[in-house]
Amino acid sequence: ETGVTQSPTHLIKTRGQQVTLRCSSQSGHNTVSWYQQALGQGPQFIFQYYREEENGRGNFPPRFSGLQFPNYSSELNVNALELDDSALYLCASSFLTRTVNTGELFFGEGSRLTVL
Amino acid sequence: AQTVTQSQPEMSVQEAETVTLSCTYDTSESDYYLFWYKQPPSRQMILVIRQEAYKQQNATENRFSVNFQKAAKSFSLKISDSQLGDAAMYFCAYSSPGGSQGNLIFGKGTKLSVKP
Repeated sequence: ETGVTQSPTHLIKTRGQQVTLRCSSQSGHNTVSWYQQALGQGPQFIFQYYREEENGRGNFPPRFSGLQFPNYSSELNVNALELDDSALYLCASSFLTRTVNTGELFFGEGSRLTVL
Repeated sequence: AQTVTQSQPEMSVQEAETVTLSCTYDTSESDYYLFWYKQPPSRQMILVIRQEAYKQQNATENRFSVNFQKAAKSFSLKISDSQLGDAAMYFCAYSSPGGSQGNLIFGKGTKLSVKP
């Protein structure tokens, strides 16, 4: 069974640039969630993708966007980077149906983004 | 909106001893899930234990157990026979069971140190 993998593991960008982070979900999972974890904080929910559609969004501006592909992998895109976007970005996958959600997530190791 | 509070930023325990991490939450829902996740220095978040709100019996996973007090909205984690590998950040998390809201609400975490 392949776990959740994320790339890149570390990256440095400058303010105003754009970044794309990638995630491959665990085999058998159909849902990908993205979280932002600032230093010393708990993860904050950005959004979730289910069957290639956004299925819930946290309190993040529209410059945070995402995609889910037919193989259930996902991308997180952040435009017009700001200094406060510096954080660990975690991807998590799960198996979700329209009627059942156990809430249990399987996390990747994250992508550490530094914005200068 | 639901909130999760962990009032202990750091805790320390002697190897082989028992430690309890505290968590309180606020919600108006009657059905939900509660979790404890562990984040070791390698950063990958790992599920420790899960509790369904409608179950009165406290969840147990080997050396890990919870004290779930629904009326008090309290969900503490007890680690027995602490081991050096238990050293990590521990996050309490809340999830609604609805199929369209598969995100977790995390507390700020408790850093657990284990002394040999």
